[in-house]
Amino acid sequence: DTGVSQDPRHKITKRGQNVTFRCDPISEHNRLYWYRQTLGQGPEFLTYFQNEAQLEKSRLLSDRFSAERPKGSFSTLEIQRTEQGDSAMYLCASSSDPGQQETQYFGPGTRLLVL
Amino acid sequence: SQQGEEDPQALSIQEGENATMNCSYKTSINNLQWYRQNSGRGLVHLILIRSNEREKHSGRLRVTLDTSKKSSSLLITASRAADTASYFCATDATGANSKLTFGKGITLSVRP
Repeated sequence: DTGVSQDPRHKITKRGQNVTFRCDPISEHNRLYWYRQTLGQGPEFLTYFQNEAQLEKSRLLSDRFSAERPKGSFSTLEIQRTEQGDSAMYLCASSSDPGQQETQYFGPGTRLLVL
Repeated sequence: SQQGEEDPQALSIQEGENATMNCSYKTSINNLQWYRQNSGRGLVHLILIRSNEREKHSGRLRVTLDTSKKSSSLLITASRAADTASYFCATDATGANSKLTFGKGITLSVRP
């Protein structure tokens, strides 16, 4: 059983650069979530997909952030013109039918450091 | 914004003792979930309790839910050094489309 995977695990970039992260959910899961976690805090919701449709975006997701899930499988999260405040752990989670209140399974995260 | 508030913020116990962690939340929920996170790693799901459930067990874990008080507790019995981690409660609020709202977490240290 393959869990949620994320790539890369670590990313160091300079302010102003663009970065893209990838998430591969558990294969039969149709819901995919992105969260952001800063040091000493719990994860905060960013956005989620039901299959390929992006159904909700948090106000935390500024115009510099974009997420896609083109074929309803893997997802990408892109941050344009990165700022130091974007430094955080970006977590992806997936779940099956939400009507059944299924558990969200998290990936290992991508830790971003913006210099 | 973070709905859940865990208590205490940090807990240090001796191996073999029980650890009790509490979580309070603000809105009505579909379910409440507890997760564990080792330093710098992803979150590991521990247990989910639905709003119509009052108590649930899984191995050494016992979770209770009191929807009238909007609170939950996680009990880890016979703790081990390997239980050392941060623990988060997360709520799936009613009408929130299953997105989770997390607290700030509890840091548990189990001394060998």
